[in-house]
Amino acid sequence: AQKITQTQPGMFVQEKEAVTLDCTYDTSDPSYGLFWYKQPSSGEMIFLIYQGSYDQQNATEGRYSLNFQKARKSANLVISASQLGDSAMYFCAMRGNTGGFKTIFGAGTRLFVKA
Amino acid sequence: GAVVSQHPSWVICKSGTSVKIECRSLDFQATTMFWYRQFPKQSLMLMATSNEGSKATYEQGVEKDKFLINHASLTLSTLTVTSAHPEDSSFYICSAKSGSRGDEQFFGPGTRLTVL
Repeated sequence: AQKITQTQPGMFVQEKEAVTLDCTYDTSDPSYGLFWYKQPSSGEMIFLIYQGSYDQQNATEGRYSLNFQKARKSANLVISASQLGDSAMYFCAMRGNTGGFKTIFGAGTRLFVKA
Repeated sequence: GAVVSQHPSWVICKSGTSVKIECRSLDFQATTMFWYRQFPKQSLMLMATSNEGSKATYEQGVEKDKFLINHASLTLSTLTVTSAHPEDSSFYICSAKSGSRGDEQFFGPGTRLTVL
């Protein structure tokens, strides 16, 4: 069975500082993908970053980077230079290569950026 | 980029009625579409996976007779909530995957259903 765990229900960060959102996962699939999505109050799911299980380097996309530690089964999201517009829910997600390519989501972390 | 639309964006209906939600991939062919449900302040829960031209695969605990899914074409999937009850009130989100676009999954903007 696959499982995604986000242990931080809420996080506060000062504007312009960096913040790390935690995510751990469990899967028996030898190959899988890890995703982070942002969900503002409007409800839309905004794709942020993707990490493949066989990727040698940590993924980066602008201010977003993914700290992938395969042995520890963690895929933390790092947001650098936080902006007020970063305040939102953040979901970690995983998709294995079996079981119909289903994507499962963690419980989410609400990020509050303070001015 | 790939765009997925949902219609309607919000709907209010009376208890006992049925509601149909459409999910369309606007600029690509979606071989697989997924339907999620999200209660307030909670995560997305996968309801079912639909492949074009075949029956949907429902997740454990999701009533297939209540949540009818039809994926009749490569650009359209519909979710019909039959005999809706107030506990069906939720945010329903679809996503679409194209076989030609690798692993990426594109999400619709969601439909907020309120059952009175």
